[in-house]
Amino acid sequence: GESVGLHLPTLSVQEGDNSIINCAYSNSASDYFIWYKQESGKGPQFIIDIRSNMDKRQGQRVTVLLNKTVKHLSLQIAATQPGDSAVYFCAEYAINQAGTALIFGKGTTLSVSS
Amino acid sequence: NAGVTQTPKFRILKIGQSMTLQCTQDMNHNYMYWYRQDPGMGLKLIYYSVGAGITDKGEVPNGYNVSRSTTEDFPLRLELAAPSQTSVYFCASTLAGRNIQYFGAGTRLSVL
Repeated sequence: GESVGLHLPTLSVQEGDNSIINCAYSNSASDYFIWYKQESGKGPQFIIDIRSNMDKRQGQRVTVLLNKTVKHLSLQIAATQPGDSAVYFCAEYAINQAGTALIFGKGTTLSVSS
Repeated sequence: NAGVTQTPKFRILKIGQSMTLQCTQDMNHNYMYWYRQDPGMGLKLIYYSVGAGITDKGEVPNGYNVSRSTTEDFPLRLELAAPSQTSVYFCASTLAGRNIQYFGAGTRLSVL
């Protein structure tokens, strides 16, 4: 199975709400994680990253939390806007047959209604 | 800034045909990657390259070939297209390993 997964395939929120997208990983040796946003018909776009020596990192309206004890990370989006509607992927750098590779989860589709 | 550029954006192939998906980046990145994305799924690594003249297989390399003659270009070749290769293909690059990968807009390929 995949080493990175998301708890919910879809999330629907109202404009202005805070959104929380969750991700579980299984490789305890992973030390670098990235969140990507993918809008329809486009390539993944970098949002925020975090290394394993941190448990929280903040960007503009986004926060990533890393809990290494339970191998869980989350992406929090403050004051969600319609433009945030997209598929969100967490990805981890892990060692597989390709050496050190970026492993993607299946994604959570965020729908924001106004 | 152009970033990572992929061509074509769309293509329909017949079974057994061949084609090359082009990828070029202008960021002087050493590492380049090819992924495929099937509907409702995450990205799976096909091939990658850590520099000109060096390529390695990823998780799903069967049916594909790559080359890296320059730092900028990393074409992906399908020799005998099969329906199982219907997918969206993304090229990505990064300056060095364990860093943010930057993606192109993708090539949507259908094999009929």
